[in-house]
Amino acid sequence: NAGVTQTPKFQVLKTGQSMTLQCAQDMNHNSMYWYRQDPGMGLRLIYYSASEGTTDKGEVPNGYNVSRLNKREFSLRLESAAPSQTSVYFCASSVLAVRDEQYFGPGTRLTVT
Amino acid sequence: RKEVEQDPGPFNVPEGATVAFNCTYSNSASQSFFWYRQDCRKEPKLLMSVYSSGNEDGRFTAQLNRASQYISLLIRDSKLSDSATYLCVVNKGGSYIPTFGRGTSLIVHP
Repeated sequence: NAGVTQTPKFQVLKTGQSMTLQCAQDMNHNSMYWYRQDPGMGLRLIYYSASEGTTDKGEVPNGYNVSRLNKREFSLRLESAAPSQTSVYFCASSVLAVRDEQYFGPGTRLTVT
Repeated sequence: RKEVEQDPGPFNVPEGATVAFNCTYSNSASQSFFWYRQDCRKEPKLLMSVYSSGNEDGRFTAQLNRASQYISLLIRDSKLSDSATYLCVVNKGGSYIPTFGRGTSLIVHP
């Protein structure tokens, strides 16, 4: 039982490049989330998927897109990376949104030069 | 006022000390409350949920005060391994968006 897995662990991009961060959970959770964490800013929600087939914007969605591929997988895409997107990205999942605790993946450390 | 506020610290305490953190929230419709622990360069991990009646897990006690809109975390007999950042999370009623505080840093020294 791996919990929440994320790939890649580290990535360096040049401004304007695109990439997709992958996230998968094997806990049969309904809800999945993408956060970014910057020094002094805490965790900020980018997008979430309350259930399979739905996605919604969080606090800081600009510059990102998401896909809930199936119940297990939730990907985050940066279409044209900018230095302001340098951050640590965490994926999380929970049984149900709102009520339940979240389980986090190990994070992806992204640097955009 | 920020939705969820925490004193960033750091709280610097000796081993064996008792330390308490508070977290205030602004939305009175908030329904669910949690404390997470985050070690340096690691993912947040659930420490405990916070129930209306309060709850205890070993050396850790969490309480909710709805009237004053804050949650608290008490750590007794601090260990070196308790050194971490403690995040509070509040889930608002009517919203799927959980709100994280910025965290309180705890350093336990010998």
